[in-house]
Amino acid sequence: EIVLTQSPGTLSLSPGERATLSCRASQSVSSNHLAWYRQRLGQAPRLLIYDASSRATGIPDRFSGSGTGTDFTLTISRLEPEDFAVYYCQQYGSSMLTFGGGTKVEIK
Amino acid sequence: QVQLVESGGGVVQPGGSLGLSCAASGFTFSNYGMHWVRQVPGKGLEWVAVIWYNGANKDYADSVRGRFTISRDNSGNMLYLQMSSLRVEDTAVYYCARGIRLWGYLDYWGLGTMVTVSS
Repeated sequence: EIVLTQSPGTLSLSPGERATLSCRASQSVSSNHLAWYRQRLGQAPRLLIYDASSRATGIPDRFSGSGTGTDFTLTISRLEPEDFAVYYCQQYGSSMLTFGGGTKVEIK
Repeated sequence: QVQLVESGGGVVQPGGSLGLSCAASGFTFSNYGMHWVRQVPGKGLEWVAVIWYNGANKDYADSVRGRFTISRDNSGNMLYLQMSSLRVEDTAVYYCARGIRLWGYLDYWGLGTMVTVSS
């Protein structure tokens, strides 16, 4: 099983600032099969990024993903009010999907 | 538009059974693998089970294997999760989600249904 570790646990930022979230895998993620999701309070997760760097349908270009192997990053260039939420990475490079523990982006 | 609507959640005693359903619409259900993912309130996401587009293959997280059964009805656009020998630690919101590729990312999620295992 691939274990995903997200950091930091909480990120305190202001609207308009840049957010950088990290996801580190316990072993290399095959074919960069890594996704990112945003979950607002009381809502279901929403897919943002797949294949490490491809934006999902309808996702604005302030969201970008990068990385390869074991180290991946989600960057939000300018935080909008709706971006204050919890973010999860998920790997699908092996059978048995796994999620990271999440990073909460809160208003400073 | 793609819609996934879960139902069947509730309160059940430890050792009991419960069945969840997920009604799918807005896409060709029989073309996609489907997953169940759960989340303890206030905690992270845990993948539970997957069923291939044609129902031929299924797989489960170790934590539920042998207790939970995933199934689907492609003629009725329905996904199911039959849960037995329930434990307190199975308490969570259960989401159904559409999968991309056999083992892939999850591009649409339902709103979830709450399962509480308590005496």
